[in-house]
Amino acid sequence: GESVGLHLPTLSVQEGDNSIINCAYSNSASDYFIWYKQESGKGPQFIIDIRSNMDKRQGQRVTVLLNKTVKHLSLQIAATQPGDSAVYFCAELNQGGKLIFGQGTELSVKP
Amino acid sequence: NAGVTQTPKFRVLKTGQSMTLLCAQDMNHEYMYWYRQDPGMGLRLIHYSVGEGTTAKGEVPDGYNVSRLKKQNFLLGLESAAPSQTSVYFCASSYAPHGFSGPRNIQYFGAGTRLSVL
Repeated sequence: GESVGLHLPTLSVQEGDNSIINCAYSNSASDYFIWYKQESGKGPQFIIDIRSNMDKRQGQRVTVLLNKTVKHLSLQIAATQPGDSAVYFCAELNQGGKLIFGQGTELSVKP
Repeated sequence: NAGVTQTPKFRVLKTGQSMTLLCAQDMNHEYMYWYRQDPGMGLRLIHYSVGEGTTAKGEVPDGYNVSRLKKQNFLLGLESAAPSQTSVYFCASSYAPHGFSGPRNIQYFGAGTRLSVL
């Protein structure tokens, strides 16, 4: 069946360092992926998306990389700040048009 | 812009009681969704709607009912609450026509409703 999973449930980084959050997906036919950020007590918030015809997309301080060969997705956050502390979810659009969410990685930024 | 608004924010129920969670969106989105979020389980889809007057089952629909009488509102009902329904409930909406892959599939979430069933 479909699954979207994260390699690490928690990640702790020093303020100012770069963060890399990984995600594996199982459906090779998936062609659209989204990263969400969820702060404590809030709903998930859209960060960045990528289509399968791309292997890299950049936003403000964030970059998403897609490796279709190994079905792997990553979110890179440059110069991580305390405000980046949150749970990060990757989501895969399945062929029925619904998003399948991973379990999330908790990012903790140490000052 | 309000986006997606959920009410109430918190609720405590006794087993067997009923309640309705309200979701309202002001983005003119066709699609609306109800999820539950439990520790270590991520987001699981309960029910969704592809337009006014339509509803469909998601991954974990048992014990819940929904209605979409108006395009901007999506209601989630618990007829007889059980402790297993203690969770955080999120509503989301998107443009997303079926089969279209891209930014129209981005789902926008409300702040959540924290429900405890004793």
